[in-house]
Amino acid sequence: NAGVTQTPKFRILKIGQSMTLQCTQDMNHNYMYWYRQDPGMGLKLIYYSVGAGITDKGEVPNGYNVSRSTTEDFPLRLELAAPSQTSVYFCASSYGGRGSTDTQYFGPGTRLTVL
Amino acid sequence: GDSVTQMEGPVTLSEEAFLTINCTYTATGYPSLFWYVQYPGEGLQLLLKATKADDKGSNKGFEATYRKETTSFHLEKGSVQVSDSAVYFCALTGGSYIPTFGRGTSLIVHP
Repeated sequence: NAGVTQTPKFRILKIGQSMTLQCTQDMNHNYMYWYRQDPGMGLKLIYYSVGAGITDKGEVPNGYNVSRSTTEDFPLRLELAAPSQTSVYFCASSYGGRGSTDTQYFGPGTRLTVL
Repeated sequence: GDSVTQMEGPVTLSEEAFLTINCTYTATGYPSLFWYVQYPGEGLQLLLKATKADDKGSNKGFEATYRKETTSFHLEKGSVQVSDSAVYFCALTGGSYIPTFGRGTSLIVHP
């Protein structure tokens, strides 16, 4: 199993541009998540999904959109990029059937810079 | 709501020193508790977990005990190595099944 894969690894955007961060998991997990990690600030949840066709906002959803058309894929869309969105983005997944005991599996991250 | 507080870093140790990283939590009900580790340039990965009170999670020489009476889940290792240098995150998952993470503690181990 490849686990959770993310593309691209690095990206530089200009202010106002848009892009999609890709995330795919091959573990047949129901739950998927997008986080951003800023230095010294831990992880902030952007959006999450409990299954195909179901998404919900996390702590910091403004400026982002998601969709979940399949179990495997959970892309994150940035519209009108702003310098405040400069961060490292992590996608994660979990089985979702074991309640609170679920372990999260993380991708390697996408480092995004907005100039 | 749920919250996790862990000690601020960086924690700087010499090789073979004893490690403790403190973690306390606030949650309703009976959450599961986790420690994740993030090596430089990588995503987080599970280090250990405990799913009920008095459980001890262990892995790679690291241990943590779920203490409900003190709402704590402190991470310990008897003898750290340079390869343990990383950022360690304490986390909990409660009734919402959405994890809550601490801010992370950076560990630097010198030879």
